[in-house]
Amino acid sequence: SQELEQSPQSLIVQEGKNLTINCTSSKTLYGLYWYKQKYGEGLIFLMMLQKGGEEKSHEKITAKLDEKKQQSSLHITASQPSHAGIYLCGADIGDGGSNYKLTFGKGTLLTVNP
Amino acid sequence: DTEVTQTPKHLVMGMTNKKSLKCEQHMGHRAMYWYKQKAKKPPELMFVYSYEKLSINESVPSRFSPECPNSSLLNLHLHALQPEDSALYLCASTLTGTGATEAFFGQGTRLTVV
Repeated sequence: SQELEQSPQSLIVQEGKNLTINCTSSKTLYGLYWYKQKYGEGLIFLMMLQKGGEEKSHEKITAKLDEKKQQSSLHITASQPSHAGIYLCGADIGDGGSNYKLTFGKGTLLTVNP
Repeated sequence: DTEVTQTPKHLVMGMTNKKSLKCEQHMGHRAMYWYKQKAKKPPELMFVYSYEKLSINESVPSRFSPECPNSSLLNLHLHALQPEDSALYLCASTLTGTGATEAFFGQGTRLTVV
């Protein structure tokens, strides 16, 4: 079955530093999503990438999908304590028919120290 | 309205109790999902409803019984749960169940089985 590998598992950075989180799939991704989650809360949608080579930005967060559509990276510039949380990459996995289910990597726990 | 509302936020139940989790959205989305999330783990898909019909059941034990009374509501009926079923239960919705579309998540119900 297709799995999403996220790295690193956890990350501690000093406020103001840049950081990158990676998400890798063994198969071509139909749709790649990035979500953020605060502990014990729901998931907040960040970005969706579909096309090979696509790049999207929102405020200080940039996500890219490689040309082969098997790897994505999430880059945060000048990190702030508000960026702290769990970052999850997700992908649409088809059931062989017309149904797709959103499944997630194991997540990256980001801590930003003031 | 871009919200998915889950009730209750917290639930403590005994192993012989019967309870229900509720999820509601008014975005016109036709696919709704239940996820289970244990501490420090990513959300795991349980059920998918597409156009009010159960389209995906991830081999969930029968003590969890989903119900979709209409396109805006999704319930999860709980009966004879075990302590290991304690987790955060997340509801999500998408425009359709065919992927490549943003999923909106509720804030979750924190379930404790005693």
